[in-house]
Amino acid sequence: NAGVTQTPKFQVLKTGQSMTLQCAQDMNHEYMSWYRQDPGMGLRLIHYSVGAGITDQGEVPNGYNVSRSTTEDFPLRLLSAAPSQTSVYFCASSYQGHGYTFGSGTRLTVV
Amino acid sequence: AQKITQTQPGMFVQEKEAVTLDCTYDTSDQSYGLFWYKQPSSGEMIFLIYQGSYDEQNATEGRYSLNFQKARKSANLVISASQLGDSAMYFCAMRPAGNQFYFGTGTSLTVIP
Repeated sequence: NAGVTQTPKFQVLKTGQSMTLQCAQDMNHEYMSWYRQDPGMGLRLIHYSVGAGITDQGEVPNGYNVSRSTTEDFPLRLLSAAPSQTSVYFCASSYQGHGYTFGSGTRLTVV
Repeated sequence: AQKITQTQPGMFVQEKEAVTLDCTYDTSDQSYGLFWYKQPSSGEMIFLIYQGSYDEQNATEGRYSLNFQKARKSANLVISASQLGDSAMYFCAMRPAGNQFYFGTGTSLTVIP
């Protein structure tokens, strides 16, 4: 099915570990982004990309890295996990000016 | 500054009644889009409805309509004939010219049988 595929759906990390959340879309969307969702705070933008080779920081970028080597893929790397990064992470993509298509989310717990 | 405000953390509505979820926004851009998303307890984000800043008519999608008042900078979601399956979190979002989306903090809607 066409859409945004996020993996894994669930992950538990120990403090200090690193990992990569995967995101892939097959709709040829140029715009991709990563959000984290925390109770009472809505969705906060971590990083975004307007096309292959171009990335930029959002509202809460610290502790996260991204790259966009292809139009389809936009992985999010946690460099050294901290309990404050316990959250639900969403990847989303869109055409410019259109609404988002969201991935199904990754529930991350850092212990 | 770009900002979306949802002032209702939680709302209750009787089944088959209509409900309005409030959303106000702030932007200096002339061209922008307004969106509503539904997030059921299963967690996925579902697109509901879109309104462009230059659209003269309010958007409608089935039981959903967007009450767009540009001068007041409000974009309220109206759900008619509420159903039990409408119980969910609802997020208002704005996309100004710069491509980034801005989300509100959400409203939790509970439909009472």
